Amino acid sequence: KQEVTQIPAALSVPEGENLVLNCSFTDSAIYNLQWFRQDPGKGLTSLLLIQSSQREQTSGRLNASLDKSSGRSTLYIAASQPGDSATYLCADTSGTYKYIFGTGTRLKVLA
Amino acid sequence: DADVTQTPRNRITKTGKRIMLECSQTKGHDRMYWYRQDPGLGLRLIYYSFDVKDINKGEISDGYSVSRQAQAKFSLSLESAIPNQTALYFCATSDLQEDTQYFGPGTRLTVL
Repeated sequence: KQEVTQIPAALSVPEGENLVLNCSFTDSAIYNLQWFRQDPGKGLTSLLLIQSSQREQTSGRLNASLDKSSGRSTLYIAASQPGDSATYLCADTSGTYKYIFGTGTRLKVLA
Repeated sequence: DADVTQTPRNRITKTGKRIMLECSQTKGHDRMYWYRQDPGLGLRLIYYSFDVKDINKGEISDGYSVSRQAQAKFSLSLESAIPNQTALYFCATSDLQEDTQYFGPGTRLTVL
């Protein structure tokens, strides 16, 4: 059974810092790994989707990588801004309907 | 206007009351989902529906029921609410052609 873990649960950084959020999973037979952003009162928004044939995806200041052999994915945020403050969730979205979410990392970027 | 809407956004109720959470979508998607989110546990799937006539239990369906009134509407009911159903509830939709689900803003439910 797939289990997805995110550590740390919370993180505070000063504005401008580059940072890495971590996601670990137990079953390496993963097809899709997605990173979501959750803002209070606004639900979840998909940031990046990495398919198993890919090693990474980039969107603006965000870069996500997937290493199936080690059971890890990372989300790199460059030059962080206060507007990046949110909870970031990773999920195994390999199933057509069954997404397995991590517990999230709550990020606060201090101005 | 938001593509996936949920009503109410916040609700406080008492133990034993029946409550319904509603979800509507304008994305034209066939697939709809209900999740709950608890601190430290992530999102867990309650029910999902692939079309109006297809409803399936998810990981944690006990104590919940759903109704798919139309392609665009999917309701979640708590027949007799209990305090451990206090959580943040999300509705989501998806399309077979895309590899992602689209989430509503959530309903914060508190059962006293």
